[in-house]
Amino acid sequence: AQRVTQPEKLLSVFKGAPVELKCNYSYSGSPELFWYVQYSRQRLQLLLRHISRESIKGFTADLNKGETSFHLKKPFAQEEDSAMYYCALSPNRDDKIIFGKGTRLHILP
Amino acid sequence: DVKVTQSSRYLVKRTGEKVFLECVQDMDHENMFWYRQDPGLGLRLIYFSYDVKMKEKGDIPEGYSVSREKKERFSLILESASTNQTSMYLCASSLDTPNTEAFFGQGTRLTVV
Repeated sequence: AQRVTQPEKLLSVFKGAPVELKCNYSYSGSPELFWYVQYSRQRLQLLLRHISRESIKGFTADLNKGETSFHLKKPFAQEEDSAMYYCALSPNRDDKIIFGKGTRLHILP
Repeated sequence: DVKVTQSSRYLVKRTGEKVFLECVQDMDHENMFWYRQDPGLGLRLIYFSYDVKMKEKGDIPEGYSVSREKKERFSLILESASTNQTSMYLCASSLDTPNTEAFFGQGTRLTVV
C-alpha cells in the first residue's frame, strides 16, 4: 500500500538550531516526493520536490531509497519557518498525490 | 500566477442538506483534487479527476460525489451532509506531467450543524 508517515505531530526547535522533519514512505516503485508547507492563514504551497535537488528557504531534502525516507532539513531555524509541513508522494504513472499527516514546526525565540 | 479559487471560505449547513463546494482553476490543468484537512489526520484524498467527466475515488469517498463537466471546474457534492463531514476542504489542480506541483485553493471551512 502507498503510504506516507510523518512520525512527529509537533516539533519545537529553538531559533538558530538545526531542524529535521522526518518523512518515511511506503511504495514499491520509484515515487515522486515533495514537501508542502502551510503558513498561518495562507494556502498550502509547494516547498520543494526531490527531483529538483534544490534548496528552498534554506531547506533541503534527500531521497534515501534504502531507508525509504525523505527527511526535510535546515541547518539554522528561523522564526518564519513556523508552519505546518506535509510530506507527499505521487506514485509513478499515477495522477494522485498522497499526503502524510503533517508536522507542525514551532520555532522558539 | 496560477489561481485555484474555491467559491466559499466558510459555510454552515444543516444535517441532511445537499451541499455543493465549487472549485475553479485558470491554468488549464488536467488534474484536479478534493481533499479534506483535519487536525492529526493530515490531508485525505476524497476524489480526483484527470480529465473532463473522468473521476477516481480517493481514500475517503463515502458520502461524497464529484462533477467535472468543464476542464476548469471541479465540484464536490455532499449528498446528505452529516456532522462528521465538518472539516476544512481543499481543492487542488496540477498538470498531467511527472513531478508536477499541485496548486491549492484557499480552503472552505464547512460546519454541519
